[in-house]
Amino acid sequence: KAGVTQTPRYLIKTRGQQVTLSCSPISGHRSVSWYQQTPGQGLQFLFEYFSETQRNKGNFPGRFSGRQFSNSRSEMNVSTLELGDSALYLCASSEPRGGSYEQYFGPGTRLTVT
Amino acid sequence: AQKVTQAQTEISVVEKEDVTLDCVYETRDTTYYLFWYKQPPSGELVFLIRRNSFDEQNEISGRYSWNFQKSTSSFNFTITASQAVDSAVYFCALGTPYNQGGKLIFGQGTELSVKP
Repeated sequence: KAGVTQTPRYLIKTRGQQVTLSCSPISGHRSVSWYQQTPGQGLQFLFEYFSETQRNKGNFPGRFSGRQFSNSRSEMNVSTLELGDSALYLCASSEPRGGSYEQYFGPGTRLTVT
Repeated sequence: AQKVTQAQTEISVVEKEDVTLDCVYETRDTTYYLFWYKQPPSGELVFLIRRNSFDEQNEISGRYSWNFQKSTSSFNFTITASQAVDSAVYFCALGTPYNQGGKLIFGQGTELSVKP
C-alpha cells in the first residue's frame, strides 16, 4: 500500500499571502490529522477530519483551516501568512481497528514565510 | 490536562550500548493510547508502537522494547545494542479516544546520537 503523500514538499511564501497544502491518506483510511512542527513549540495538533467532518481542533487561530473531500484527501489552508507560520506541516492518516488506531505520517511540507 | 514529558532532551551513546528513553504522561481519560515515533533527519515521523491504556503488557520487537506502567504513568523505550541507524529524534505521544477525533499530544522529543 502506498503511504501518506503530501504536496508540495517545500514552499516559500511572503507574509500576507495564503497557502494551501494537500494530503492524500493511505488507501482505506478515513481520518486525516494535521500537525505543525516548529523548533520552539514542537509538534502541535491542528485538526482532524473523519469522513469529511472536522471532529477535533487544536488551539490555532482561525487563519488555519482545513477540509476533507469524499475520497478522504485533505487540504489545509493558512491565510494571511505570518513569519511564525514557518514550520514543517505533517499530515497523518488512520483507520480505527477494534476501537484503537495508529496514525501514519507523510513526509511533510516545509513552509518558509519571508 | 493532557501532557507528555520527555525529560531527556539529548542522549549520546556509543554503538552497542543499551539506551532507555523515558516518557511520562498525564491524562484524566480512562481510555487512551500511547505511541512512540522516530524522526530521522529526513523529517518523516515513523510509527514504532502503539499501546492501549488497558493493555499493560510489555513488548519486544527485535532490539526494541517498551515498558508500560500505569502506576507511574510511564511508557519507556529501550534500544538494546544501539546502532548508528538508531540516531534520530524519538517522540512519545498520548492519543485521545478515536471517537473524539484521535489527537496526538507529543512530548518534546529526545535526540539520540549513536557514535561509532
